[in-house]
Amino acid sequence: KAGVTQTPRYLIKTRGQQVTLSCSPISGHRSVSWYQQTPGQGLQFLFEYFSETQRNKGNFPGRFSGRQFSNSRSEMNVSTLELGDSALYLCASSLTPDRHSGANVLTFGAGSRLTVL
Amino acid sequence: AQSVTQLDSQVPVFEEAPVELRCNYSSSVSVYLFWYVQYPNQGLQLLLKYLSGSTLVKGINGFEAEFNKSQTSFHLRKPSVHISDTAEYFCAVSDGNTPLVFGKGTRLSVIA
Repeated sequence: KAGVTQTPRYLIKTRGQQVTLSCSPISGHRSVSWYQQTPGQGLQFLFEYFSETQRNKGNFPGRFSGRQFSNSRSEMNVSTLELGDSALYLCASSLTPDRHSGANVLTFGAGSRLTVL
Repeated sequence: AQSVTQLDSQVPVFEEAPVELRCNYSSSVSVYLFWYVQYPNQGLQLLLKYLSGSTLVKGINGFEAEFNKSQTSFHLRKPSVHISDTAEYFCAVSDGNTPLVFGKGTRLSVIA
C-alpha cells in the first residue's frame, strides 16, 4: 500500500511569490490534515479536510488556503510568500477525522520543504 | 484547548542505557495520546498510542509509554537505546474530535 505522497519535496521561492503544495493520501483515506513545522514553533496545525469540506482551520493568516478534491487528494496554497513561511509542510491522512478509533491514526508524508529567499 | 508540554528539548544518552522522554498534557474529559518519531529528512512515524484501556502502552522499536491521568502525563520509555534511535520525538494529544496538538519535540541523541 503506497504511503502519503507529497510533492514537491523541496522548493525555493522568493518573497511575494505564491506556492502550491500537493498531497496524495493513502488509498481509501478521506481525511487530510496539513501541518507547518519550524524550528521555533514546532508543529502547527493548518487545516483539516474531509470529503472535500474543510472541517478545521488553524490560526494562520488568509494567505494560507487549501482544498480537497473528490479523489481525496489535497493541495495547499500560500500567496505573497514571506521569509517566515520557510518551513517543512507536512500532510497526513486518515480514514476519517475521528480520533476515537485506533484504526484512524494519522499517517504522515515526508513533507515539502519550502525555502523563501 | 488542548496543549502538550515536552519537558526536555534535548536528551543525550549512552547506547544501551535506558531513556525516558517526558510529556505532560492539559486536562480534558477525554484524551487520546500519541507519540511520533521523526528521523532526519522524513515525516512523522507513529510509535504508539493510548486511546483507552491499559495505561501501559507498547509500541514499535521496543518503546512503551504509561498514561497517568492524575499527573496528566504520558512519558515514553525504552529500557536500552540504540544508535538508530537517534531522532526527534513528538508527543501529541486530541480530545477525539479536534486535530492533534503536538508538543515542541525532544531530540534524543544516542552516544556510542
